[in-house]
Amino acid sequence: KAGVTQTPRYLIKTRGQQVTLSCSPISGHRSVSWYQQTPGQGLQFLFEYFSETQRNKGNFPGRFSGRQFSNSRSEMNVSTLELGDSALYLCASGRTGEDYGYTFGSGTRLTVV
Amino acid sequence: GNSVTQMEGPVTLSEEAFLTINCTYTATGYPSLFWYVQYPGEGLQLLLKATKADDKGSNKGFEATYRKETTSFHLEKGSVQVSDSAVYFCALSLISGSARQLTFGSGTQLTVLP
Repeated sequence: KAGVTQTPRYLIKTRGQQVTLSCSPISGHRSVSWYQQTPGQGLQFLFEYFSETQRNKGNFPGRFSGRQFSNSRSEMNVSTLELGDSALYLCASGRTGEDYGYTFGSGTRLTVV
Repeated sequence: GNSVTQMEGPVTLSEEAFLTINCTYTATGYPSLFWYVQYPGEGLQLLLKATKADDKGSNKGFEATYRKETTSFHLEKGSVQVSDSAVYFCALSLISGSARQLTFGSGTQLTVLP
């Protein structure tokens, strides 16, 4: 059974640029969440999508956005990149119903220079 | 708001030692509780979970019991191995309407020496 796939694994961007990260959830999982992991702030919730609808959003500026497609794949976008956006971005997929926990991907390491 | 407080690391143990990593939480409502583990260069792996008070989650020799009276979910293992070296995160999940999210502790780095 394939896990959660995130692409690319590593990315280097320049300040002011825009970036798009991709996440393919486990087959049958309709919920996709995104988290940012940094040494200073730890793991912080960005947003959650379910059936192409954003149903929860964390406390991040509007430069951070996302979407989910009909096949449950999700993308997140960060515009006007800042140095502080350098982080590991983790995607997690889950089923509906019982709160059994999420399955995480290996993450995309974004470095902004 | 909801929060998770974890024992500060790093923790260094010898192989076969007993492990405890403390975790307490604050939540409005009745959360589900989780322990995740992160190995270097990887994402998070679910280690164990408990969804209601007095539930005990267990996996790979690790255990944690959901204690509502002390709002705690401490992780224990009787005999650690070098391969257990990783960062451990305690987390809670609350469902608000149809939305859910994980709130994580700051993580505890565990190093097991042979």
